[in-house]
Amino acid sequence: GAVVSQHPSRVICKSGTSVKIECRSLDFQATTMFWYRQFPKQSLMLMATSNEGSKATYEQGVEKDKFLINHASLTLSTLTVTSAHPEDSSFYICSAANRNTEAFFGQGTRLTVV
Amino acid sequence: RKEVEQDPGPFNVPEGATVAFNCTYSNSASQSFFWYRQDCRKEPKLLMSVYSSGNEDGRFTAQLNRASQYISLLIRDSKLSDSATYLCVVNGRITGGGNKLTFGTGTQLKVEL
Repeated sequence: GAVVSQHPSRVICKSGTSVKIECRSLDFQATTMFWYRQFPKQSLMLMATSNEGSKATYEQGVEKDKFLINHASLTLSTLTVTSAHPEDSSFYICSAANRNTEAFFGQGTRLTVV
Repeated sequence: RKEVEQDPGPFNVPEGATVAFNCTYSNSASQSFFWYRQDCRKEPKLLMSVYSSGNEDGRFTAQLNRASQYISLLIRDSKLSDSATYLCVVNGRITGGGNKLTFGTGTQLKVEL
């Protein structure tokens, strides 16, 4: 299957700082990238959907000014958690898809805000 | 109504049992359908795509019923290693031509000795 690389896999940051997470599709062009968050023992929650070259579409309840998403190319999307707080600590996962194909997931980023 | 609904379980079954999961979706215009497997603290991995004609891969069989808007996953001769959360995923188009993948909450399966 296709490969999606997500970096970093783990990050610990201080409260109030910003963290950038990268998601790259290594061997295919991803017209759409998705960002999810998963709290312990809960299901994946979609945060936003981004199509290359256009603004991300955020799910209800997700602050677009806090979770900045950039999808500047067909192989790279970034999620920046701005002014992180301890309640932002979670497992963040990206996935990339082409039209009518299955989605391939990055390895996830475990964010801990202290 | 949720866009994609699954019974969260857990389904506790003995090794060797046959178990079936269903998933319903609300958007009749949905294009494609998948089952993913997620192990604890790991990212989801594609298990199989689901086609109208149904498809089988070893012990796993997936089927799609467009009229009733549900998909199913059947696992035969379950193994301990099948213990995981199974996610139903529906791919629908959004305005502007992009994709929107919607995940069910997942069904947890525990296979026991």
